[in-house]
Amino acid sequence: GQQVMQIPQYQHVQEGEDFTTYCNSSTTLSNIQWYKQRPGGHPVFLIQLVKSGEVKKQKRLTFQFGEAKKNSSLHITATQTTDVGTYFCAGRQTGANNLFFGTGTRLTVIP
Amino acid sequence: DAGVIQSPRHEVTEMGQEVTLRCKPISGHDYLFWYRQTMMRGLELLIYFNNNVPIDDSGMPEDRFSAKMPNASFSTLKIQPSEPRDSAVYFCASSRTGVGKNIQYFGAGTRLSVL
Repeated sequence: GQQVMQIPQYQHVQEGEDFTTYCNSSTTLSNIQWYKQRPGGHPVFLIQLVKSGEVKKQKRLTFQFGEAKKNSSLHITATQTTDVGTYFCAGRQTGANNLFFGTGTRLTVIP
Repeated sequence: DAGVIQSPRHEVTEMGQEVTLRCKPISGHDYLFWYRQTMMRGLELLIYFNNNVPIDDSGMPEDRFSAKMPNASFSTLKIQPSEPRDSAVYFCASSRTGVGKNIQYFGAGTRLSVL
């Protein structure tokens, strides 16, 4: 069945360092979304990528969708304490209306 | 818009008791999803509805779990009887169909503790 894996599972960085989380799907995706969940909070939508090789930026966050539409990455430049949380990718198969959430990467930023 | 509203926010119950979780989706959204989140298993999709009709309930753990959506503005997830391993945070999310509109909006969740 559909599986979406993320690595690493946990990441501790010093404030100001960069951070990257990788997402890999066992099947080709029609699109991929990224969500952020703050500690004690709920997942909140960040962005959606649709096209093969697509790159989108949101301030210090850069999102990429692989050429084969089976992997994606989120890169944060110069992390801040406000970046703390768990980042999830969520893939959608063609024709499907549900998302397959990745295992998540929990980011800790040390001041 | 008030967003997705879930109640209660916290529920503590004893093993064997019935638990009912409630969700009000965002008005105009035609999809509703129930998720369970635990440290061990992450975020799991339990069931989702489209226009109040259950589409996929393959994630429902067992017969003790049931979900209903009697109308477009209300859904329930019931656990009967509850067991300690059901302890988790349960999220409800809603979305709207259409190109570029399949974003899921999550409620604040219900933290369930079964003693």
